[in-house]
Amino acid sequence: EADIYQTPRYLVIGTGKKITLECSQTMGHDKMYWYQQDPGMELHLIHYSYGVNSTEKGDLSSESTVSRIRTEHFPLTLESARPSHTSQYLCASSVQDNSPLHFGNGTRLTVT
Amino acid sequence: AQTVTQSQPEMSVQEAETVTLSCTYDTSESNYYLFWYKQPPSRQMILVIRQEAYKQQNATENRFSVNFQKAAKSFSLKISDSQLGDTAMYFCASRNRNQGGKLIFGQGTELSVKP
Repeated sequence: EADIYQTPRYLVIGTGKKITLECSQTMGHDKMYWYQQDPGMELHLIHYSYGVNSTEKGDLSSESTVSRIRTEHFPLTLESARPSHTSQYLCASSVQDNSPLHFGNGTRLTVT
Repeated sequence: AQTVTQSQPEMSVQEAETVTLSCTYDTSESNYYLFWYKQPPSRQMILVIRQEAYKQQNATENRFSVNFQKAAKSFSLKISDSQLGDTAMYFCASRNRNQGGKLIFGQGTELSVKP
């Protein structure tokens, strides 16, 4: 059973809407990550955090933003969704640099 | 730059047979880690096996083993006695110790195990 939780599991919204994808973990991990997985299944790092009040942009440019006010919570926000944002978003966490990442079940976002 | 390449988009294997998935990577770091992850259809990404670059011995986890060739920057995954439940996308990934632990993935290999 997952120790890292993502909600919603599926989301279909119209263009221009503001959305927040939730990610929470119960393991006390400092490091958290957001990956975007395109239809071809490739994964691209879009945001990461080393701890509270720490956020960095990943290797793939994204119009989304993140916040890390609490250790266990790492939400991702899109201010104005567009069809190009349609993708699966995976949240992950880890305890140390040499530790494997634990992944959530993902949020599959469709923007119409 | 840190890159990971999987050159086999799709593979198939008969149940109970052995299959090897290929992966090459590139990094300028000397301290890094390599991973294979599995993503079953519509299910959670899970760790299959990991290898520390400073260890010469190849990692093994039950039916899963790796062939780590550091000089060639190659990190292949061997699945022995393939089972139907092994059907999934398999991702090779690397993580440099000095870059904050960012995990960089390859393009993935879709493995189908046929009965």
